[in-house]
Amino acid sequence: GEDVEQSLFLSVREGDSSVINCTYTDSSSTYLYWYKQEPGAGLQLLTYIFSNMDMKQDQRLTVLLNKKDKHLSLRIADTQTGDSAIYFCAESMDNQGGKLIFGQGTELSVKP
Amino acid sequence: GAGVSQSPSNKVTEKGKDVELRCDPISGHTALYWYRQSLGQGLEFLIYFQGNSAPDKSGLPSDRFSAERTGGSVSTLTIQRTQQEDSAVYLCASSFTGSGYGYTFGSGTRLTVV
Repeated sequence: GEDVEQSLFLSVREGDSSVINCTYTDSSSTYLYWYKQEPGAGLQLLTYIFSNMDMKQDQRLTVLLNKKDKHLSLRIADTQTGDSAIYFCAESMDNQGGKLIFGQGTELSVKP
Repeated sequence: GAGVSQSPSNKVTEKGKDVELRCDPISGHTALYWYRQSLGQGLEFLIYFQGNSAPDKSGLPSDRFSAERTGGSVSTLTIQRTQQEDSAVYLCASSFTGSGYGYTFGSGTRLTVV
């Protein structure tokens, strides 16, 4: 079935790199996404990767995709306290109208 | 409009009452999605609209939940005879093509059933 798994918590020190991991199940997904949710706010699209790519870099964010293992990761370089939030990975079910299947979210805590 | 608008932003209701949650998508977005986020949970897909029709209602938890969309625009999610387990944040998103790319989420409606 459809399932996206993430670890629930990650704690890092300010200035360190953060790596958030995700596994997904649908090998036919065209896009895979990372969303950020700050306390009391809606979901903000952080970045995405097309399924035929292995890596995508966008400023402090690096997305790595291992299609063989169905593993997606988000690396945040030089993590700041403002990066504290919940991060969701999601796969798009393009043959089902584009609905997104989300992981449970990883709560990132950045300590000064 | 400029973004996806949801109303009300907060709703407290008594167990057993019916509630209606509204979503105004971005103008021109043909696809509209409802999700539910319960405390400590990820986002659970509820229903998807393409235009006014709903090809995928597979996520609706029970027959107390229904949704409609009119004029290819506004959507209403109705929960009848609310239960405490319905307490959650209900999020709406819209996109141009229904491809999963280019979603825009609203800020959600926080529903509390007491």
